[in-house]
Amino acid sequence: DAGITQSPRHKVTETGTPVTLRCHQTENHRYMYWYRQDPGHGLRLIHYSYGVKDTDKGEVSDGYSVSRSKTEDFLLTLESATSSQTSVYFCAISEGQGALNTFGSGTRLTVV
Amino acid sequence: QQQVKQSPQSLIVQKGGISIINCAYENTAFDYFPWYQQFPGKGPALLIAIRPDVSEKKEGRFTISFNKSAKQFSLHIMDSQPGDSATYFCAARVVGTYKYIFGTGTRLKVLA
Repeated sequence: DAGITQSPRHKVTETGTPVTLRCHQTENHRYMYWYRQDPGHGLRLIHYSYGVKDTDKGEVSDGYSVSRSKTEDFLLTLESATSSQTSVYFCAISEGQGALNTFGSGTRLTVV
Repeated sequence: QQQVKQSPQSLIVQKGGISIINCAYENTAFDYFPWYQQFPGKGPALLIAIRPDVSEKKEGRFTISFNKSAKQFSLHIMDSQPGDSATYFCAARVVGTYKYIFGTGTRLKVLA
C-alpha cells in the first residue's frame, strides 16, 4: 500500500525464538499501530504509538513489545515466539484527525 | 473490556440487493466509527466513517446509520455488486485516545 511498507511479508520461525517485524511509513503520520488478524477475532490491537518513543498497549499486548525511535519506523518484537502468535500482522498509520486510514499489506507469521 | 460486537458473521446477497451489517457496543465510550473493506490477501481499506453527533452518512452506495441511544451503528450497501464481495469490519475509536477497536468482521458474498 502506498506510503507504508511491512517487512518481511512472510516468515516461518521456531517456538522460543525472537522475531521482529518492521513497519516503515513515508507519510510522516504521527500515529502508528500494530494489529493481528485471526479468524473469528477480527483485528485486535497489539500496541500503538502516538509519537517517537511514545507507545501504549492495546487489547492483546502480552508477549509483544514495540519500539519507535524514528517517526517513520515502528518495530514489533515477539520476545519468545509461541504457536499462539501465528497470525497475520498488520501495521497501520493515521494522522490523528479522521479515521485510521492506511494499512500495510500484512506479514504472515507462522510459529512452528 | 472494550468491545464492539458485529453481526452477521457472513452474508450472502443477490446482485442488486441491499447488504446490511450491524455493530453494537456497550460500556465503553467511543467517539468515531469507521468502516473498512478487506479483500483476500490485502490490508483493510477505509470505506466511510461517522461521528456520533450525526445519525446518517452516505457516500455513493454506502450508508452508515448511527443510533446513539441504542449504541448501535450499521453499514448499508445499496445495489450490491459482485465486486463488493469482501470482508467488512466496523471499528470504534476510544474517546480521549487514538485507539481503534474492531469488530470481528462480516464476510459478504454477492451473487451474480
